Amino acid sequence: AQSVTQLGSHVSVSEGALVLLRCNYSSSVPPYLFWYVQYPNQGLQLLLKYTTGATLVKGINGFEAEFKKSETSFHLTKPSAHMSDAAEYFCAVSEWGSNYKLTFGKGTLLTVNP
Amino acid sequence: GAGVSQSPRYKVTKRGQDVALRCDPISGHVSLYWYRQALGQGPEFLTYFNYEAQQDKSGLPNDRFSAERPEGSISTLTIQRTEQRDSAMYRCASSSKDRELFFGEGSRLTVL
Repeated sequence: AQSVTQLGSHVSVSEGALVLLRCNYSSSVPPYLFWYVQYPNQGLQLLLKYTTGATLVKGINGFEAEFKKSETSFHLTKPSAHMSDAAEYFCAVSEWGSNYKLTFGKGTLLTVNP
Repeated sequence: GAGVSQSPRYKVTKRGQDVALRCDPISGHVSLYWYRQALGQGPEFLTYFNYEAQQDKSGLPNDRFSAERPEGSISTLTIQRTEQRDSAMYRCASSSKDRELFFGEGSRLTVL
């Protein structure tokens, strides 16, 4: 069975500050890892994903995440927060070879203060 | 269409009534998925179709829940004899085979 833990249901940063959203997972097989973002009244949108290969993955809007197998982590970062980054972020894991049966974390709400 | 379309966006029903939630995927997308998201939780997988074939329904919580996609396009998720615990956001997604999932805005179901 797989699971995802997102540390911090709510993260608040100042505009221009580093964004760090934490995600740890458990999986008995090599995982695929995802970050999704949800803006108010919109559907989930894929930010980035890790399947195989390079462990540092770059996504849209300046976000990136690094797969660390030894730490079973896939933390999401952005060097400088923008007001438009305010949203809810979900980390998800799926079994290797599958990108449909996702197990999501509970989400982290990011607020950006001016 | 331009994106995944779900209807109704909001549904309030009384306990014991049946509800049907509709999903219209992105044109040409082979695969269609249903997820459920309770308040304060992440989405949970319900079921998945390739074309009209239901490939995996392991996430459907009980036999009151069913889904169909008879012509390989629009899908309906039906919940019979609704209960208060069924209240949630129901999310549909579609994709080209084995590619990125595109999610709709969801249908929020409230069972009184």
